[in-house]
Amino acid sequence: KQEVTQIPAALSVPEGENLVLNCSFTDSAIYNLQWFRQDPGKGLTSLLLIQSSQREQTSGRLNASLDKSSGRSTLYIAASQPGDSATYLCAGRNSGNTPLVFGKGTRLSVIA
Amino acid sequence: GAVVSQHPSRVICKSGTSVKIECRSLDFQATTMFWYRQFPKQSLMLMATSNEGSKATYEQGVEKDKFLINHASLTLSTLTVTSAHPEDSSFYICSGRDTHTDTQYFGPGTRLTVL
Repeated sequence: KQEVTQIPAALSVPEGENLVLNCSFTDSAIYNLQWFRQDPGKGLTSLLLIQSSQREQTSGRLNASLDKSSGRSTLYIAASQPGDSATYLCAGRNSGNTPLVFGKGTRLSVIA
Repeated sequence: GAVVSQHPSRVICKSGTSVKIECRSLDFQATTMFWYRQFPKQSLMLMATSNEGSKATYEQGVEKDKFLINHASLTLSTLTVTSAHPEDSSFYICSGRDTHTDTQYFGPGTRLTVL
């Protein structure tokens, strides 16, 4: 069964910094991995989806990578802004039929 | 992307009552829907997987008689919290799996508060 871990649990950075959020998973036979953003009291916003055959995906200031052999994914945020403050969740699944398994998230605070 | 709706978005109920939460896939058919629960400052924990027309599969530790799931059509799944207690207060999020794209789309969540 897939298990997902995120480090750090919380991160505070000054505005403008580039930052990396880390995600690790136990089963390298991962089908795909997804990064989400969650604002307090709100639902999930999907940021990036990486299929097992891909190594990275980019959207604007966000770049997510996937390294199946090491069981790791990173979310890189360039030129961080206060509006990026949220909890970022990493989730992976082992097949198209199985549900996403979530990490505990990283709470990001970008200080103006 | 595809859209999943949930209703209600917030509900407050008295202890001992039952609450039904609806989850609809608005522009795709979801043969499989997943129900997650999220406690404050915690991650999403899978409660159960429901397949259209069949019984739901519950995760370990989730009481099937307390959390009744019905998936009667390809676009609708319901979760009923029976005899709710304060410890059931949580954020419930459903997710529909688009069969054609193998992508999970999430609803906006339902915040349940049991007094």
